[in-house]
Amino acid sequence: KAGVTQTPRYLIKTRGQQVTLSCSPISGHRSVSWYQQTPGQGLQFLFEYFSETQRNKGNFPGRFSGRQFSNSRSEMNVSTLELGDSALYLCASSSGNDYEQYFGPGTRLTVT
Amino acid sequence: GENVEQHPSTLSVQEGDSAVIKCTYSDSASNYFPWYKQELGKRPQLIIDIRSNVGEKKDQRIAVTLNKTAKHFSLHITETQPEDSAVYFCAASIYNNNDMRFGAGTRLTVKP
Repeated sequence: KAGVTQTPRYLIKTRGQQVTLSCSPISGHRSVSWYQQTPGQGLQFLFEYFSETQRNKGNFPGRFSGRQFSNSRSEMNVSTLELGDSALYLCASSSGNDYEQYFGPGTRLTVT
Repeated sequence: GENVEQHPSTLSVQEGDSAVIKCTYSDSASNYFPWYKQELGKRPQLIIDIRSNVGEKKDQRIAVTLNKTAKHFSLHITETQPEDSAVYFCAASIYNNNDMRFGAGTRLTVKP
């Protein structure tokens, strides 16, 4: 099976702009979770989508949003970018009915 | 919500020695405890996990133990090799709830 893929891999944006990141899960997996990884805060849970519905949400402001399509691909959107949003954004794929989560390679977002 | 603490933050061992990383969690409802290995510039990779109905699990040189009463779990790596050098993350979550909470990570260095 192909693994989890994320696009783009690298992105540079300026403050105030918005950005959309994409994640394609492992074939057959219905759950996609998003995480933000920074040196200072580590790995933090953003939200999880399962069968096109947000099932869980972390403690991030409303500027962070997401959605999931019928083919289980998920997008994450960040509006009004701030310098502190610079991070590696990882998505993780799981079947939705099991424990294991498998990570994609991440999107490195730099906000200038 | 769940809070996961991980120690030590850095660990340096000689090749062939054992390495132990410890984590504690706060939510007694957590029942799934994975460990991820992240090499520089790469995605976190699931290396071993344990569920709350099991006290110990072993996979070749890697083992994980869980003490539900004390709410702590540990990763043990025996006969360490230079390729074991990476950042290791512990995590805790509840079955079917992909809101996974991570420890801050341990940077393991194995000296040849």
